[in-house]
Amino acid sequence: RKEVEQDPGPFNVPEGATVAFNCTYSNSASQSFFWYRQDCRKEPKLLMSVYSSGNEDGRFTAQLNRASQYISLLIRDSKLSDSATYLCVVKTMDTGRRALTFGSGTRLQVQP
Amino acid sequence: DGGITQSPKYLFRKEGQNVTLSCEQNLNHDAMYWYRQDPGQGLRLIYYSQIVNDFQKGDIAEGYSVSREKKESFPLTVTSAQKNPTAFYLCASSMSSEGYGYTFGSGTRLTVV
Repeated sequence: RKEVEQDPGPFNVPEGATVAFNCTYSNSASQSFFWYRQDCRKEPKLLMSVYSSGNEDGRFTAQLNRASQYISLLIRDSKLSDSATYLCVVKTMDTGRRALTFGSGTRLQVQP
Repeated sequence: DGGITQSPKYLFRKEGQNVTLSCEQNLNHDAMYWYRQDPGQGLRLIYYSQIVNDFQKGDIAEGYSVSREKKESFPLTVTSAQKNPTAFYLCASSMSSEGYGYTFGSGTRLTVV
């Protein structure tokens, strides 16, 4: 089983739509969580961290459910510029590994 | 401007050759990382280094080697032992040795011809 699993999509939505992505992680010792955005053939860039109480950054809302080992990202009022791949990322402390683990990504295509 | 530079952007290798990918950062970051990305896949960790003269294997280290002689530099050598090296290689750095707050380079696309 992969440590971080995401629905690959693609999610095709019209402009202005609300879209939600989900991610599950397998290691209950995972402590830190992030969403990264990756444009086609470019490097990933940090979109937002995910906090236990949930957090919002403009049109983006991230939620964490530790009991279910589940992370979500909600995008409201989608823009054409939101089209990208969204990577779910976790940091686990119990293995001694000092690096982030990336999911395979969910592709979003916002259409006019 | 501070940043992380990978070179070359595109690289072609003949089978059986070793090639070295460059990664340089001027962010004064302690930790540096190499990831590989295949089409439609996530990033997989090859090697990482928390301090100079020290590095650890990631999930797919076989067929790769690294060095960390300077804080600013973390070159990756793809050896002939790597059977399927065609991929997008991403270098990242982080101020924290705990692996937070990555800054990525723009990547190197390696193709075996």
